[in-house]
Amino acid sequence: GDSVTQMEGPVTLSEEAFLTINCTYTATGYPSLFWYVQYPGEGLQLLLKATKADDKGSNKGFEATYRKETTSFHLEKGSVQVSDSAVYFCAQTTGGGADGLTFGKGTHLIIQP
Amino acid sequence: GAVVSQHPSRVICKSGTSVKIECRSLDFQATTMFWYRQFPKKSLMLMATSNEGSKATYEQGVEKDKFLINHASLTLSTLTVTSAHPEDSSFYICSAQRGFGNQPQHFGDGTRLSIL
Repeated sequence: GDSVTQMEGPVTLSEEAFLTINCTYTATGYPSLFWYVQYPGEGLQLLLKATKADDKGSNKGFEATYRKETTSFHLEKGSVQVSDSAVYFCAQTTGGGADGLTFGKGTHLIIQP
Repeated sequence: GAVVSQHPSRVICKSGTSVKIECRSLDFQATTMFWYRQFPKKSLMLMATSNEGSKATYEQGVEKDKFLINHASLTLSTLTVTSAHPEDSSFYICSAQRGFGNQPQHFGDGTRLSIL
């Protein structure tokens, strides 16, 4: 079945470092891809999305490009801040045209000053 | 941004009781609501999709008689865990979507259910 695999955490970086969180997916169709973020004590929030191959989603300095050839949707940011510390979830729409999401396990990002 | 309220945030109850969790979209009408379950150190797993006024669609392996979902209005969906047992202890999260297609889902803060 459809699945999403993302790198295990926690990932610890210094402020202003470059960030990459890897995400790969398996799908029988053409899913939409998402990154959600969960800040401490808060619910999941949509960070960015891409709905078709080669689309790039971007928000708050984060970017991810929908790569069909490598079935990947890696999250990147050029210079992280302490306020970016959170859990990041990669997700895809489930198959069959439904809008429910299949999530990765989440990656806990810790940014140290 | 859009706000989804989930209540209660935490519930502890005895084995055999039924527990109702509410999910409300506060500032928009949600055509579709979703219920997810998250096990420790695991990803969120979609349990069911509910559309206002119709029966919920359950994912494979989810017992519909165990997890009753009602989506009576465009702003409220409820999940009732019937005759709960310790193995039902988990973190349950709802989300609400305006419209269909690639509309984003807005998530509640989740409910921590502990069955003794």
